[in-house]
Amino acid sequence: ILNVEQSPQSLHVQEGDSTNFTCSFPSSNFYALHWYRWETAKSPEALFVMTLNGDEKKKGRISATLNTKEGYSYLYIKGSQPEDSATYLCAPPNAGGTSYGKLTFGQGTILTVHP
Amino acid sequence: DAGVIQSPRHEVTEMGQEVTLRCKPISGHNSLFWYRQTMMRGLELLIYFNNNVPIDDSGMPEDRFSAKMPNASFSTLKIQPSEPRDSAVYFCASSISPAGQFFGPGTRLTVL
Repeated sequence: ILNVEQSPQSLHVQEGDSTNFTCSFPSSNFYALHWYRWETAKSPEALFVMTLNGDEKKKGRISATLNTKEGYSYLYIKGSQPEDSATYLCAPPNAGGTSYGKLTFGQGTILTVHP
Repeated sequence: DAGVIQSPRHEVTEMGQEVTLRCKPISGHNSLFWYRQTMMRGLELLIYFNNNVPIDDSGMPEDRFSAKMPNASFSTLKIQPSEPRDSAVYFCASSISPAGQFFGPGTRLTVL
C-alpha cells in the first residue's frame, strides 16, 4: 500500500496571492505522478501526469514540479483566483507498469481563494 | 467525445432495495474504475477492470456490492440490498493506462 501525503490539508489565500502545496510519496519504484483538481459538486479533473525526475509541467497559471529521488511534487498556482478554489489531489500509480493505471490518491489539499 | 457517462445522476431509494449504477467509459479506454466518495473516507477505489476483466476488487466493502463489465463500453455497479450507509457519490472513471483517468459526473445515491 502506497503512503501518499499532501500538505497542507487546507489553505486559505486572498485573490492574487501565489500559493503552493506538496505531495510526498515513496521514491522507490516510482512510475508516475498524477495531479487532479476537484471542484465542489463536480468530478475530479486531471491536471498533469508527470513521469521524469525534474519534470515541470504548466497549464495556465498552474504548474507542477517533480522530484522522484526524494519523493515529492510541488503544485504552484500563480495569482490565485476564486475559481481556483478546489481540492487538489495527487496520486501515484501502484508501483510497476502492471498497475493498469490504478491510482492511490492522497487526502488532498483544500484551497479556498477569497475575493 | 462525450466523456465518461454515468446514469442515473441521482438515485433515491429505500433500504433493502436493489440499486444499479451504470457507466459508459470513453471509447478506446481499456481501464475502468469505480470509486465512492464519502465525507468520512474521501475518495476510495472500489474495483477496477482492465480489458473488461476485474483486476482488483479489494475495495468493495462487502458482498452486497458487485460489479460487472460485460463489454468494453459498459459497466455496472450493483448494491443488493442497499443500506443507508451506502449513501455516497459513486464515480466511474476510465483511462488508457497508464495515462490519467477521466472521471464521469458521478451518481449521488441516497438510501433512506
